[in-house]
Amino acid sequence: GAVVSQHPSRVICKSGTSVKIECRSLDFQATTMFWYRQFPKQSLMLMATSNEGSKATYEQGVEKDKFLINHASLTLSTLTVTSAHPEDSSFYICSARDSTTALDGTIYFGEGSWLTVV
Amino acid sequence: EDQVTQSPEALRLQEGESSSLNCSYTVSGLRGLFWYRQDPGKGPEFLFTLYSAGEEKEKERLKATLTKKESFLHITAPKPEDSATYLCAVRSNSGGYQKVTFGTGTKLQVIP
Repeated sequence: GAVVSQHPSRVICKSGTSVKIECRSLDFQATTMFWYRQFPKQSLMLMATSNEGSKATYEQGVEKDKFLINHASLTLSTLTVTSAHPEDSSFYICSARDSTTALDGTIYFGEGSWLTVV
Repeated sequence: EDQVTQSPEALRLQEGESSSLNCSYTVSGLRGLFWYRQDPGKGPEFLFTLYSAGEEKEKERLKATLTKKESFLHITAPKPEDSATYLCAVRSNSGGYQKVTFGTGTKLQVIP
């Protein structure tokens, strides 16, 4: 089946530094990718929707200057957490919509990335 | 505003005890309803996509159905390895902008 690869799966960074998380669709093209944040025992919280070749659309309350999203190709989107602080520690998950065959393609998720800011 | 409500929040079943999970939704312009399974500390795993009322899909012990207002995920003779959180999501199209809304999930525990 379709696979979305997310890297790294776990990362620890120092407060004030930036960290980049990659999301790749391995066997399909994804014009649209989504980035979520998930807190323990809670559901997914949509952070932003990224469309290939254009600016991401951020959800209300999400700082676009802090969470930089780039979707430069049909198979890769990146999320960069800039000037990370301990409160940014969370589980970040990406998903990609399989747009190869239809606009309403199925959405597949990556394995998630655990970010710990110390 | 699109809304997705899943019930129950948690469900505990004996192995072999069949049951159903519910996903009720209110959206404008449904463009797909998705079911996922999520294990702790992992990303959601895709199960089914349903597009229109009356559609059904099956995979092993799982069967998903869709009406105009809700979807059910039926679990037949569950096993302990079916224990997970099951997420429902709907995609809608409003003004040319597609949006995906998730429910809060049903945490299923199957006891041997």
